[in-house]
Amino acid sequence: NAGVMQNPRHLVRRRGQEARLRCSPMKGHSHVYWYRQLPEEGLKFMVYLQKENIIDESGMPKERFSAEFPKEGPSILRIQQVVRGDSAAYFCASSKESGNTIYFGEGSWLTVV
Amino acid sequence: GENVEQHPSTLSVQEGDSAVIKCTYSDSASNYFPWYKQELGKGPQLIIDIRSNVGEKKDQRIAVTLNKTAKHFSLHITETQPEDSAVYFCAASGTGRRALTFGSGTRLQVQP
Repeated sequence: NAGVMQNPRHLVRRRGQEARLRCSPMKGHSHVYWYRQLPEEGLKFMVYLQKENIIDESGMPKERFSAEFPKEGPSILRIQQVVRGDSAAYFCASSKESGNTIYFGEGSWLTVV
Repeated sequence: GENVEQHPSTLSVQEGDSAVIKCTYSDSASNYFPWYKQELGKGPQLIIDIRSNVGEKKDQRIAVTLNKTAKHFSLHITETQPEDSAVYFCAASGTGRRALTFGSGTRLQVQP
C-alpha cells in the first residue's frame, strides 16, 4: 500500500514564476493537509481539504497561494509569483477521515532563486 | 486556536539512557496527540499516538503519557540508540474538522 506521494521532490523556481506541488494521498484517504516547514523550524499548517472542498485554509497566505483537491487526481498546492521567502519544504499529509491518523509524504523542497 | 509548546528544543543523551520530551497544549477540547520523528531530508514519520480516553500507551521502547487535567503529554524513549537521533515533534488536534497543530520540535542526539 503506497504512502502519500509528493512530486516533485525538489523544485527550483526564479522569482516571479509559479510553483505547483502535487500530492496523491494514501489509498482510501479522502482528507489532505498541507504544511510548510522553513529551515530549522517546525511544521506550520496551511490548508486542509477534502475531495472538492476546502475545509480550513486559515494557515494559507491570503495572496499568491491556492490549493485544490479535485474529484479525480492529486491535490495541488499552487504558489504564484514566488519570492525568496517561499523557499521551504512543503509537506502533504492524508487521513481516511477527520480525526483519524495522519500520514505524511516525503515533502517537496522549493528553492526560489 | 490550539497552541502547542514543546521542550526541550535540544536533548543529548548517552546511548542506553532514556530521553523524555514534554509538550503542553492550550485547547481543552483537543483529544488526539501524535508524535512524529523526522530525519534529515525526510517527511515526519508517525511513531506513536494517544487519544484522550487513554492515559498511557507503550510500543516497545517508546511510550507516551497524557495528563488531560494539566494539558500536557510526554514522549519517553528508553534504551536509546544512535538511530533514535532525529527531530521529534508533538502535535494535538481536537474534535471536528481540525488539522494537527505541531510543537516546535526537539532535536535528539544519542551519543554512542
